Amino acid sequence: AQSVTQPDIHITVSEGASLELRCNYSYGATPYLFWYVQSPGQGLQLLLKYFSGDTLVQGIKGFEAEFKRSQSSFNLRKPSVHWSDAAEYFCAVEPYGQNFVFGPGTRLSVLP
Amino acid sequence: DTGVSQDPRHKITKRGQNVTFRCDPISEHNRLYWYRQTLGQGPEFLTYFQNEAQLEKSRLLSDRFSAERPKGSFSTLEIQRTEQGDSAMYLCASSPNQGTGNTIYFGEGSWLTVV
Repeated sequence: AQSVTQPDIHITVSEGASLELRCNYSYGATPYLFWYVQSPGQGLQLLLKYFSGDTLVQGIKGFEAEFKRSQSSFNLRKPSVHWSDAAEYFCAVEPYGQNFVFGPGTRLSVLP
Repeated sequence: DTGVSQDPRHKITKRGQNVTFRCDPISEHNRLYWYRQTLGQGPEFLTYFQNEAQLEKSRLLSDRFSAERPKGSFSTLEIQRTEQGDSAMYLCASSPNQGTGNTIYFGEGSWLTVV
């Protein structure tokens, strides 16, 4: 079945530590790939997106993501987490000719 | 560019009442989307418009839900005879172009609580 999975429901990291949030998709062809962030009670803000080309994508707020076709993954990374990064993170895909599909989200907590 | 705006931000209503949400997309964006998000879940697609035409509706959109975009600008989402299961955040989003591979920009959502 076609799907987007984010295996980690909740991750806690210490401020200054590195971060990796996982995203896997299951579609026949590589869809367009996105990461969004949502602060409590707010809408979603785009962090970065991958359409084609370089598989390492840079985004806002120091985030980057790497597309790995062989693993059907699009993991989000940040070398040093700040307390303000605490939020919910959603991976999303846009299969060709279809609408966006969002993963269930990963909630990030940051310890001081 | 003022972003996608939604109104009201919060609505508490009694079960059985009708509610309407309004969305103003980013100026000149052709596409407008409605999503629903419940606590702990990702947004779920409800429907989208290309200009004034409603091109797709999710199975989640029961006959109590109706959406319009009469002049291809703002949109309304109406829920009739609300049920407690309708309690959620309703997100509106817009994108500038036709076709695929476009970034969609979200509003801050309209929270609905049905008591």
